[in-house]
Amino acid sequence: GAGVSQSPSNKVTEKGKDVELRCDPISGHTALYWYRQSLGQGLEFLIYFQGNSAPDKSGLPSDRFSAERTGGSVSTLTIQRTQQEDSAVYLCASSLGGNRNQPQHFGDGTRLSIL
Amino acid sequence: QQPVQSPQAVILREGEDAVINCSSSKALYSVHWYRQKHGEAPVFLMILLKGGEQKGHEKISASFNEKKQQSSLYLTASQLSYSGTYFCGTGISNFGNEKLTFGTGTRLTIIP
Repeated sequence: GAGVSQSPSNKVTEKGKDVELRCDPISGHTALYWYRQSLGQGLEFLIYFQGNSAPDKSGLPSDRFSAERTGGSVSTLTIQRTQQEDSAVYLCASSLGGNRNQPQHFGDGTRLSIL
Repeated sequence: QQPVQSPQAVILREGEDAVINCSSSKALYSVHWYRQKHGEAPVFLMILLKGGEQKGHEKISASFNEKKQQSSLYLTASQLSYSGTYFCGTGISNFGNEKLTFGTGTRLTIIP
């Protein structure tokens, strides 16, 4: 597709369950980012990938959060033993690689609701 | 630390001008500006790099004052389509791709 694709668009689950969120970046984009946006708030950085490696995981809130990227393309963000405070919109963005600052292109996000 | 945006919210009539500011306590290399409409993904507007350049197209432009670690977004003769929440994202490295630290946003409402 032409843009960043995220699935599912909405996810409702019970507290304590595990969830997987998927991001399919723009073809050819080597950098991939995960952010979290709570209601009415700004974007909170979670993790950044360059290719398949994650140089910066500093934003992951706890060890319940993990992410991987395979084939330099699709990324999965996994949240284990979900808590109510995990409820938010999870946004993925991708950008061209290289040594120049590039725009980040965002997907529409996954709205996660923990009951 | 999160950059501070001001104002937090502003309401304008169509055709009026707006200025949105973004200030950081850290030395910045880049400032990105995005606009997000309710329920939609943030959309890239422009990047400014260290050097104090000013960029823009048509009625939306921005400046970056590296001495003050501050960027301003200027919207002139605002249109209804400009409504949304504007976020600045700041970067501290000239490495290239890096995480951005986003401000809390400025909600702009344009009324007819």
